Amino acid sequence: EAQVTQNPRYLITVTGKKLTVTCSQNMNHEYMSWYRQDPGLGLRQIYYSMNVEVTDKGDVPEGYKVSRKEKRNFPLILESPSPNQTSLYFCASRGQGRSPLHFGNGTRLTVT
Amino acid sequence: QKEVEQDPGPLSVPEGAIVSLNCTYSNSAFQYFMWYRQYSRKGPELLMYTYSSGNKEDGRFTAQVDKSSKYISLFIRDSQPSDSATYLCAMSPPEAAGNKLTFGGGTRVLVKP
Repeated sequence: EAQVTQNPRYLITVTGKKLTVTCSQNMNHEYMSWYRQDPGLGLRQIYYSMNVEVTDKGDVPEGYKVSRKEKRNFPLILESPSPNQTSLYFCASRGQGRSPLHFGNGTRLTVT
Repeated sequence: QKEVEQDPGPLSVPEGAIVSLNCTYSNSAFQYFMWYRQYSRKGPELLMYTYSSGNKEDGRFTAQVDKSSKYISLFIRDSQPSDSATYLCAMSPPEAAGNKLTFGGGTRVLVKP
Protein backbone atom coordinates (compact mmCIF):
# COMPACT_ATOMS: atom_id res chain seq x y z
CA GLU A 1 0.00 0.00 0.00
CA ALA A 2 1.30 3.44 -0.97
CA GLN A 3 1.80 5.47 2.16
CA VAL A 4 3.69 8.06 4.11
CA THR A 5 4.58 6.79 7.58
CA GLN A 6 5.43 9.06 10.48
CA ASN A 7 6.69 8.03 13.89
CA PRO A 8 5.86 8.52 16.62
CA ARG A 9 2.16 9.45 16.43
CA TYR A 10 2.28 11.13 19.85
CA LEU A 11 5.24 12.60 21.68
CA ILE A 12 5.50 14.49 24.94
CA THR A 13 8.87 15.96 25.80
CA VAL A 14 10.50 18.69 27.86
CA THR A 15 12.10 21.93 26.76
CA GLY A 16 15.58 21.50 25.36
CA LYS A 17 15.57 17.72 24.90
CA LYS A 18 16.54 16.92 21.32
CA LEU A 19 14.07 14.84 19.37
CA THR A 20 13.59 13.42 15.90
CA VAL A 21 10.34 12.67 14.11
CA THR A 22 10.82 10.16 11.34
CA CYS A 23 9.06 10.14 7.97
CA SER A 24 9.26 7.44 5.34
CA GLN A 25 7.46 7.01 2.01
CA ASN A 26 7.29 3.92 -0.19
CA MET A 27 6.27 5.61 -3.46
CA ASN A 28 9.74 6.55 -4.71
CA HIS A 29 8.76 10.23 -4.57
CA GLU A 30 11.39 12.89 -5.17
CA TYR A 31 9.61 15.64 -3.24
CA MET A 32 9.03 15.52 0.51
CA SER A 33 7.93 18.20 2.92
CA TRP A 34 7.14 18.91 6.56
CA TYR A 35 4.20 20.99 7.78
CA ARG A 36 2.91 22.03 11.16
CA GLN A 37 -0.78 22.54 11.79
CA ASP A 38 -2.03 24.92 14.46
CA PRO A 39 -5.62 26.00 15.24
CA GLY A 40 -6.63 28.99 13.16
CA LEU A 41 -3.32 29.04 11.28
CA GLY A 42 -3.79 26.03 9.04
CA LEU A 43 -0.85 24.11 7.65
CA ARG A 44 2.44 25.94 7.41
CA GLN A 45 5.44 24.55 5.61
CA ILE A 46 8.59 24.04 7.66
CA TYR A 47 11.07 22.54 5.19
CA TYR A 48 10.91 20.72 1.90
CA SER A 49 13.23 18.59 -0.19
CA MET A 50 13.25 18.26 -3.96
CA ASN A 51 15.49 15.20 -3.88
CA VAL A 52 18.32 13.50 -1.98
CA GLU A 53 20.68 16.05 -0.41
CA VAL A 54 18.49 18.95 -1.65
CA THR A 55 16.52 20.76 1.05
CA ASP A 56 15.09 24.26 1.38
CA LYS A 57 13.31 26.35 3.97
CA GLY A 58 9.57 26.76 4.00
CA ASP A 59 7.66 29.50 5.77
CA VAL A 60 8.46 28.59 9.40
CA PRO A 61 11.89 26.88 9.52
CA GLU A 62 13.22 28.42 12.75
CA GLY A 63 14.03 25.82 15.39
CA TYR A 64 13.92 22.88 12.99
CA LYS A 65 16.44 20.89 10.97
CA VAL A 66 15.97 18.27 8.28
CA SER A 67 18.13 15.90 6.31
CA ARG A 68 17.57 13.88 3.15
CA LYS A 69 20.25 11.21 2.91
CA GLU A 70 17.96 8.66 1.31
CA LYS A 71 15.08 9.16 -1.09
CA ARG A 72 12.50 7.45 1.11
CA ASN A 73 13.31 9.15 4.44
CA PHE A 74 12.99 12.76 5.55
CA PRO A 75 13.41 13.15 9.34
CA LEU A 76 12.49 16.32 11.19
CA ILE A 77 14.90 17.26 13.96
CA LEU A 78 14.24 19.60 16.87
CA GLU A 79 17.63 20.27 18.46
CA SER A 80 16.25 22.21 21.43
CA PRO A 81 12.45 22.04 21.48
CA SER A 82 10.48 24.87 23.04
CA PRO A 83 6.81 25.07 24.09
CA ASN A 84 5.92 27.14 20.99
CA GLN A 85 6.78 24.07 18.92
CA THR A 86 3.86 22.20 20.46
CA SER A 87 1.84 21.35 17.38
CA LEU A 88 0.54 18.70 15.01
CA TYR A 89 3.19 17.83 12.42
CA PHE A 90 2.61 16.32 8.99
CA CYS A 91 5.05 14.87 6.53
CA ALA A 92 4.05 14.78 2.86
CA SER A 93 5.48 13.54 -0.39
CA ARG A 94 4.62 13.70 -4.07
CA GLY A 95 5.95 12.58 -7.40
CA GLN A 96 7.01 14.75 -10.31
CA GLY A 97 4.93 17.38 -12.08
CA ARG A 98 1.57 18.35 -10.61
CA SER A 99 0.94 15.08 -8.81
CA PRO A 100 -0.92 15.45 -5.50
CA LEU A 101 0.66 15.59 -2.08
CA HIS A 102 0.32 12.44 0.01
CA PHE A 103 0.25 13.18 3.72
CA GLY A 104 1.14 11.01 6.68
CA ASN A 105 -1.27 10.70 9.61
CA GLY A 106 0.52 13.24 11.73
CA THR A 107 2.64 13.47 14.88
CA ARG A 108 1.18 15.33 17.83
CA LEU A 109 4.06 16.90 19.74
CA THR A 110 3.76 18.48 23.17
CA VAL A 111 6.73 20.35 24.62
CA THR A 112 6.42 21.23 28.32
CA GLN B 1 -3.57 39.71 7.37
CA LYS B 2 -3.21 36.10 6.28
CA GLU B 3 -2.54 35.36 2.63
CA VAL B 4 -5.43 32.89 2.53
CA GLU B 5 -8.59 33.37 4.59
CA GLN B 6 -11.10 30.64 5.34
CA ASP B 7 -14.03 30.66 7.74
CA PRO B 8 -13.31 28.07 10.44
CA GLY B 9 -16.97 27.09 10.89
CA PRO B 10 -18.34 24.75 12.01
CA LEU B 11 -20.75 24.60 9.10
CA SER B 12 -23.64 22.32 9.99
CA VAL B 13 -25.99 21.05 7.26
CA PRO B 14 -28.65 18.32 7.00
CA GLU B 15 -27.90 15.24 4.93
CA GLY B 16 -28.63 15.83 1.25
CA ALA B 17 -28.03 19.59 1.38
CA ILE B 18 -25.43 21.42 -0.68
CA VAL B 19 -22.31 22.38 1.21
CA SER B 20 -20.73 25.63 0.08
CA LEU B 21 -17.16 26.43 1.11
CA ASN B 22 -14.92 29.28 0.09
CA CYS B 23 -11.55 30.92 0.50
CA THR B 24 -10.30 34.38 -0.28
CA TYR B 25 -6.68 35.20 -0.96
CA SER B 26 -4.51 38.25 -1.41
CA ASN B 27 -1.59 37.02 -3.55
CA SER B 28 -2.45 37.59 -7.21
CA ALA B 29 0.43 35.28 -8.21
CA PHE B 30 -1.48 32.18 -7.08
CA GLN B 31 -2.40 30.08 -10.09
CA TYR B 32 -2.83 26.55 -8.71
CA PHE B 33 -5.75 25.94 -6.39
CA MET B 34 -6.52 22.83 -4.41
CA TRP B 35 -9.06 21.54 -1.92
CA TYR B 36 -8.08 18.98 0.69
CA ARG B 37 -10.31 17.01 3.05
CA GLN B 38 -9.05 16.10 6.51
CA TYR B 39 -10.77 13.63 8.79
CA SER B 40 -10.08 13.70 12.50
CA ARG B 41 -6.69 12.21 13.40
CA LYS B 42 -5.77 11.81 9.75
CA GLY B 43 -3.62 13.68 7.25
CA PRO B 44 -5.24 15.82 4.54
CA GLU B 45 -6.15 14.14 1.25
CA LEU B 46 -6.50 15.91 -2.09
CA LEU B 47 -10.07 16.36 -3.34
CA MET B 48 -9.86 18.78 -6.23
CA TYR B 49 -7.14 20.53 -8.19
CA THR B 50 -7.70 23.47 -10.58
CA TYR B 51 -5.45 25.76 -12.54
CA SER B 52 -6.31 29.45 -13.00
CA SER B 53 -9.95 30.53 -13.32
CA GLY B 54 -12.99 28.44 -14.12
CA ASN B 55 -14.98 25.48 -12.89
CA LYS B 56 -14.12 21.84 -12.41
CA GLU B 57 -16.51 19.06 -11.54
CA ASP B 58 -15.78 15.62 -10.13
CA GLY B 59 -18.76 13.58 -9.04
CA ARG B 60 -20.53 15.42 -6.23
CA PHE B 61 -17.76 18.01 -5.96
CA THR B 62 -17.45 21.25 -7.93
CA ALA B 63 -14.55 23.66 -7.56
CA GLN B 64 -14.73 27.25 -8.81
CA VAL B 65 -11.99 29.81 -9.14
CA ASP B 66 -12.58 33.52 -9.67
CA LYS B 67 -9.18 35.12 -10.00
CA SER B 68 -10.58 38.59 -10.57
CA SER B 69 -12.17 38.47 -7.12
CA LYS B 70 -9.40 36.33 -5.57
CA TYR B 71 -12.06 33.89 -4.43
CA ILE B 72 -12.35 30.13 -4.71
CA SER B 73 -15.24 27.85 -3.82
CA LEU B 74 -15.99 24.19 -3.29
CA PHE B 75 -19.53 22.83 -3.52
CA ILE B 76 -20.55 19.41 -2.30
CA ARG B 77 -23.90 18.19 -3.64
CA ASP B 78 -26.08 15.60 -1.94
CA SER B 79 -23.95 15.79 1.19
CA GLN B 80 -23.52 12.64 3.28
CA PRO B 81 -22.55 12.17 6.94
CA SER B 82 -19.25 10.75 5.62
CA ASP B 83 -18.51 14.24 4.23
CA SER B 84 -18.16 15.50 7.81
CA ALA B 85 -14.55 16.64 7.95
CA THR B 86 -12.36 19.73 7.81
CA TYR B 87 -11.88 21.16 4.33
CA LEU B 88 -8.69 23.03 3.56
CA CYS B 89 -8.02 25.20 0.55
CA ALA B 90 -4.45 25.49 -0.69
CA MET B 91 -2.78 27.44 -3.45
CA SER B 92 0.57 28.20 -5.02
CA PRO B 93 2.14 30.40 -7.69
CA PRO B 94 3.29 28.78 -10.96
CA GLU B 95 6.99 28.89 -10.15
CA ALA B 96 6.40 26.93 -6.96
CA ALA B 97 4.36 24.35 -8.92
CA GLY B 98 2.93 22.88 -5.76
CA ASN B 99 6.21 22.77 -3.88
CA LYS B 100 5.27 25.65 -1.61
CA LEU B 101 1.60 25.53 -0.86
CA THR B 102 -0.16 28.18 1.19
CA PHE B 103 -3.09 26.70 3.11
CA GLY B 104 -6.21 28.26 4.54
CA GLY B 105 -7.06 27.53 8.16
CA GLY B 106 -9.75 25.00 7.21
CA THR B 107 -13.54 24.90 7.58
CA ARG B 108 -15.08 22.21 9.75
CA VAL B 109 -18.18 20.69 8.17
CA LEU B 110 -20.81 18.61 9.98
CA VAL B 111 -23.42 16.76 7.92
CA LYS B 112 -26.25 15.59 10.16
CA PRO B 113 -28.27 12.48 9.26
